[in-house]
Amino acid sequence: GNSVTQMEGPVTLSEEAFLTINCTYTATGYPSLFWYVQYPGEGLQLLLKATKADDKGSNKGFEATYRKETTSFHLEKGSVQVSDSAVYFCALVSSGGYNKLIFGAGTRLAVHP
Amino acid sequence: KAGVTQTPRYLIKTRGQQVTLSCSPISGHRSVSWYQQTPGQGLQFLFEYFSETQRNKGNFPGRFSGRQFSNSRSEMNVSTLELGDSALYLCASSLGDRVFGNTIYFGEGSWLTVV
Repeated sequence: GNSVTQMEGPVTLSEEAFLTINCTYTATGYPSLFWYVQYPGEGLQLLLKATKADDKGSNKGFEATYRKETTSFHLEKGSVQVSDSAVYFCALVSSGGYNKLIFGAGTRLAVHP
Repeated sequence: KAGVTQTPRYLIKTRGQQVTLSCSPISGHRSVSWYQQTPGQGLQFLFEYFSETQRNKGNFPGRFSGRQFSNSRSEMNVSTLELGDSALYLCASSLGDRVFGNTIYFGEGSWLTVV
């Protein structure tokens, strides 16, 4: 079946450090891929998405590239801020899956000044 | 434009009771889906509705049900509540008119505590 695997957290970084959160997926066909972010006590916010191989999604300094050959969608940011502290979820919608998102377990990021 | 609105935001129920949660999607969105978030199981898909029809359903017992109205607003109901139903219930909406590439927007969620 379809699934998403994320690196386990928590990830602890100093401000201005480089961030990578790994995400790999298993899916039939050509899924759409997403990164969502959840701040404490809040719902999910869409961070970025990619709908086909080699697409790069980007938003607020975050980037992720849809790599079909490695079935990956790693999240990166060149310089994190304290305000980026949150839980990050990688997710997919399989082709034919309508709007059913399949989520990874989430990775908690803590950024210290 | 207004985002996805969920009510109530917080509620406490007793085991055996039932609960109804409400969701108003973004204006113009016809697809509404529901997710359960718990520390142990993470984010799990409950069901999705499009134009009042359930289009997809997750692996939850029949105590969990939902519906969508003609104005796209949706409700979910949980009957005979169990302690394990304590969770954040998230509603999401999208245009839903095509399978691929839809952007799915989430509400703030309804925090349910079962005691």
